[in-house]
Amino acid sequence: KNEVEQSPQNLTAQEGEFITINCSYSVGISALHWLQQHPGGGIVSLFMLSSGKKKHGRLIATINIQEKHSSLHITASHPRDSAVYICAATGNTGNQFYFGTGTSLTVIP
Amino acid sequence: KAGVTQTPRYLIKTRGQQVTLSCSPISGHRSVSWYQQTPGQGLQFLFEYFSETQRNKGNFPGRFSGRQFSNSRSEMNVSTLELGDSALYLCASRGRIGPSPLHFGNGTRLTVT
Repeated sequence: KNEVEQSPQNLTAQEGEFITINCSYSVGISALHWLQQHPGGGIVSLFMLSSGKKKHGRLIATINIQEKHSSLHITASHPRDSAVYICAATGNTGNQFYFGTGTSLTVIP
Repeated sequence: KAGVTQTPRYLIKTRGQQVTLSCSPISGHRSVSWYQQTPGQGLQFLFEYFSETQRNKGNFPGRFSGRQFSNSRSEMNVSTLELGDSALYLCASRGRIGPSPLHFGNGTRLTVT
């Protein structure tokens, strides 16, 4: 079993829809990261959080430490949001990194 | 500030050869970590360096090694290449150890034939 599990693996949405990607983890963490990867490979860090909720534009990330669960929400989705979204965890010591397998999102105009 | 720079972008090597990849972190960042990404396994942590010292290592064979220089630039070396080493190799820098955002480079795509 992977330390970080993501769902769904693939997601297709119509432009304007509200999107949720889920992440569960089984290890002790010091931080949870949401990453975005566009075709071509480059990865951008969207959020790093250890509690509560963060918002940046149309993106919202939440984490529930007790339930070991995090969600990434995209409001009013747009075709440019099409990418792979990866959940990652920094372990308790801050030295180890665990990655989910990613969610491939396609937003159709 | 310039971002994380990885060179080369693409590399084709033959089985049995060795390869060296380079990563220049964001100015002022002393931590550089390396990752392998394949379609089957996703992103996997290779190792992290901080101030020229390897702080942690993922579950990879000894053919994968790295080092960090005094200017924080890092190199990763893979010896005796195997077909399964074909992957996108990414590095990331961060400003401090502990919970801190990762800044990724664009990666080096290695193809082993």
